[in-house]
Amino acid sequence: DTAVSQTPKYLVTQMGNDKSIKCEQNLGHDTMYWYKQDSKKFLKIMFSYNNKELIINETVPNRFSPKSPDKAHLNLHINSLELGDSAVYFCASSQDGGAADTQYFGPGTRLTVL
Amino acid sequence: GQNIDQPTEMTATEGAIVQINCTYQTSGFNGLFWYQQHAGEAPTFLSYNVLDGLEEKGRFSSFLSRSKGYSYLLLKELQMKDSASYLCAVGNYGQNFVFGPGTRLSVLP
Repeated sequence: DTAVSQTPKYLVTQMGNDKSIKCEQNLGHDTMYWYKQDSKKFLKIMFSYNNKELIINETVPNRFSPKSPDKAHLNLHINSLELGDSAVYFCASSQDGGAADTQYFGPGTRLTVL
Repeated sequence: GQNIDQPTEMTATEGAIVQINCTYQTSGFNGLFWYQQHAGEAPTFLSYNVLDGLEEKGRFSSFLSRSKGYSYLLLKELQMKDSASYLCAVGNYGQNFVFGPGTRLSVLP
């Protein structure tokens, strides 16, 4: 019973391609997140999203877009991939998005752009 | 804005006690969190502090002093499996988590 799952686990692709990473949570949480962890292991939030609000980190290029078909899913779509997009992308969820909420992370997707 | 600092690396011996510090600069936040991340794996929640003081949870304890902008994670009776990165994170009012750079702990036999 995986609480937060992501697919694929590994993704290798060419520059310029468009790709998506899927995320699902079965915790009944209202808020989901995407994080990027680069080679230096710094974990940075990209988006947080619930039914009411999408909060975007202003440093995230608009080539990245979250798509949520329903409360349990938050997919990450990336257009025109660049070398610098290579990183591990983590999806996470929390109960209601409050700043004192514990976040539960998915296993991560390692994206390599060639 | 947020500025969170942690030591980059620490080394300790199996069975010992280690304290991992975290300092931050913020005008206010709801909670301060500690996460553990083993190499190649996802971060997992360890503890959080809302009020000043010590929160104990088995071998792990976390301390917060808002007035000093300071927290630490205390790990007792270190085990080899405790070798991991430890991430301090601050949850801000009206915003989401900001993670520190993490401290990579190596536990030696």
